[in-house]
Parts: sequence; C-alpha cells; structure tokens
Amino acid sequence: QQQVKQSPQSLIVQKGGISIINCAYENTAFDYFPWYQQFPGKGPALLIAIRPDVSEKKEGRFTISFNKSAKQFSLHIMDSQPGDSATYFCAPPVGNNLFFGTGTRLTVIP
Amino acid sequence: ETGVTQTPRHLVMGMTNKKSLKCEQHLGHNAMYWYKQSAKKPLELMFVYSLEERVENNSVPSRFSPECPNSSHLFLHLHTLQPEDSALYLCASSPGTSGRAETQYFGPGTRLLVL
Repeated sequence: QQQVKQSPQSLIVQKGGISIINCAYENTAFDYFPWYQQFPGKGPALLIAIRPDVSEKKEGRFTISFNKSAKQFSLHIMDSQPGDSATYFCAPPVGNNLFFGTGTRLTVIP
Repeated sequence: ETGVTQTPRHLVMGMTNKKSLKCEQHLGHNAMYWYKQSAKKPLELMFVYSLEERVENNSVPSRFSPECPNSSHLFLHLHTLQPEDSALYLCASSPGTSGRAETQYFGPGTRLLVL
C-alpha cells in the first residue's frame, strides 16, 4: 500500500515559470513533511521541510504549502531555473522509515 | 572526504558472483540505511542499523546480506543475484537513535547491473 501519492510524474516548465509538485497522504501519523531533490548521479538531498503547525514555509525560491484537512502538501518553485532540473520526492517519515513518493522529474527549459 | 561516500560507483556482476558494496559516513551519525532505487518505483528501504544493531529488515531476500562493523561503515554483501536486482543502491545516514529519522543524508549510490 502506497503511503503517499505524488503528482505529476514529470513536469516541463519554461525558465522563470512556477513549478508545482503535489503529494497526498493517508497516514495521519506523519508529522514532518520534507521534499528531497535528486540530481542524476547523486543521492537524494533534503531540500525543504515543514511541520504541520504551519501552513506555509518559504526558503528562497522554494515554498512548501501544507493543507492538513486535505492531507496534502506541495512544493512550489518560483522563477524556475535550468539548474532546478532534477527529480523531486516527497518523503514523510514514521520512525526509521521515509515513505518516498514515486518522484517528479522536473525539466526547466531555457 | 565529507558526507556519505559509497564504493564502487558502478558494478557489473554475473548471477554467480559474490561482491560487496561499501558505505562510509563522515557525519558522526548513529543510524545507517540501505535503499534500492529502481526505475519508476519509490525508493525501497532495505535495512536500518542503529548503533551497529540491525533494527529493520524489510523482507529483503537473503541474497542481500548487510553488515555494520561500526557506526561509520555499512556493507551490503551480494551473492547469487538475479537480473531484477539491477538498480541503484543508496546508502544513507541520520543523526539520532531515537527511532525517528526525519532527515537522512544520502550517498551517491552504486549503480548495479546483474547479467
């Protein structure tokens, strides 16, 4: 049973545009909501994360929006750049487990 | 060396071979993990070690055998693998031993091809 459902599977955005990736979850035990970024040939790396006591967190061009009632959280990348081209994963943890989504391959075209 | 390192980065092996993957973390963390990453599938957690003790084994076939001699090193011993075991094997570490692994730090992975 998949704990998180991530969409879209792939995304192509023009340079300067906004990239939006969504993650829906069922497990109410989740209390930390991170996004990981993975470049080709590298392992995933934590990009940004939010706790459920706030609805939004912004770090530079990256924003997480969290909707507790809908059990969804999303990643917004403002002013998307070609260097943002990577695969993005939501991965909320429970205990030792990170429950990874299937990933979104983002391509930002110049 | 900084962060989490993995060797080798690429490995090709036959189904009758025995090989080992190595992971080393330079972060002073107490927990280490092995993951399998296959195309179009979520990352699969294979094993978790906390302070050198295995705390999780997610129904992984016995042809994969982990070893954690100390909190900085983690090995994955491979024998009689199948072609469907071809994947990227990722090692990760996290700071604590409290059973919570909110942030994990990943190595670059070993790309394994089983012929």
